[in-house]
Amino acid sequence: LAKTTQPISMDSYEGQEVNITCSHNNIATNDYITWYQQFPSQGPRFIIQGYKTKVTNEVASLFIPADRKSSTLSLPRVSLSDTAVYYCLVGDNSYQLIWGAGTKLIIKP
Amino acid sequence: DTAVSQTPKYLVTQMGNDKSIKCEQNLGHDTMYWYKQDSKKFLKIMFSYNNKELIINETVPNRFSPKSPDKAHLNLHINSLELGDSAVYFCASSQGGTGYGYTFGSGTRLTVV
Repeated sequence: LAKTTQPISMDSYEGQEVNITCSHNNIATNDYITWYQQFPSQGPRFIIQGYKTKVTNEVASLFIPADRKSSTLSLPRVSLSDTAVYYCLVGDNSYQLIWGAGTKLIIKP
Repeated sequence: DTAVSQTPKYLVTQMGNDKSIKCEQNLGHDTMYWYKQDSKKFLKIMFSYNNKELIINETVPNRFSPKSPDKAHLNLHINSLELGDSAVYFCASSQGGTGYGYTFGSGTRLTVV
């Protein structure tokens, strides 16, 4: 099971684009990269998942370089409600993922 | 129409008591999980059931016993509660493994006094 490294915390301001990078040097061929968002007193919520290149949905974009040893979650034009903890996970289609400490993102007015 | 629902949301109990937490999912997923999130916010898997069969059983005290009566339900019973059991317990579900994403419940905050 591949482990990930993320910044412990980040600050930004409303309306800015926020990029959170995750390092996963030991990613395996079958592994996907998945990001979750967790608000206080709630369970984590799936944001986006990708395997390579770029994935975009209505919430975020995920950029994955060719070597797949890192990935970047991009949140466009953040608002105060994007303040949360963001987790990067790497794993294949098994039943177990390793959760790190995540990145605590604080958005300021 | 909640996808993964847990009850109760809060549970305060004394050391030595036995308590249960219930979880139900209406997503039609075939796999359910119990996670523990401690005060440092690390999420650690405890158990996983696939179609009512136990497939993950991490190093958890045997005071914790999961039960899955059907693939839509996964309950957690805890005997002889200890102070260190205080945490938030999350139920989650997925279809065909985690590669397709978990759906989590809103959590049960257990406080042992």
